[in-house]
Amino acid sequence: DSGVTQTPKHLITATGQRVTLRCSPRSGDLSVYWYQQSLDQGLQFLIQYYNGEERAKGNILERFSAQQFPDLHSELNLSSLELGDSALYFCASSVPGGSGELFFGEGSRLTVL
Amino acid sequence: GQNIDQPTEMTATEGAIVQINCTYQTSGFNGLFWYQQHAGEAPTFLSYNVLDGLEEKGRFSSFLSRSKGYSYLLLKELQMKDSASYLCAVASGGSYIPTFGRGTSLIVHP
Repeated sequence: DSGVTQTPKHLITATGQRVTLRCSPRSGDLSVYWYQQSLDQGLQFLIQYYNGEERAKGNILERFSAQQFPDLHSELNLSSLELGDSALYFCASSVPGGSGELFFGEGSRLTVL
Repeated sequence: GQNIDQPTEMTATEGAIVQINCTYQTSGFNGLFWYQQHAGEAPTFLSYNVLDGLEEKGRFSSFLSRSKGYSYLLLKELQMKDSASYLCAVASGGSYIPTFGRGTSLIVHP
């Protein structure tokens, strides 16, 4: 158990819909990272938040957005869903000032039908 | 951006030694990570190399050559539970956020 909590574990929805994935980082970690893992693309970095502010952006689509709240939990919002958005979405957190080691949550598996 | 290459799949025998290679092309290198990921589970951190040389941690060792853009993960005394995907990841360009390769699926058989 990494200490990073993600909900829901599984989600099935239809094209065009919107979903919200939630992540709570490990106690004391200020950074939250979102990654998408699909069979054909591997693990792709989406976005990072640090202490409530966006710190870095990766290959995140405009249909996707995220935020980090004052209690440091984060939400990833996916809208106008397409079949290709079906993937495992991982959240990770890291120790402030650490080597960059990421602690991953168990992931949210999204299936778009 | 980064270009990270590692073999797609490897097989090995229980008790043996296996070396998983990773090559990368990047600028502003900030470190190389290895993660292990069992099917359907979260990646877990194995090692971090930022200087050239070998880092040993129990049955697992990781090597880095920055001039060659090359790393390997060495797994000794293989166990069935080592069957997993091994992800090579590189941080670069002023960022410590790892960019992951596609991973090497290791199958350990009796």
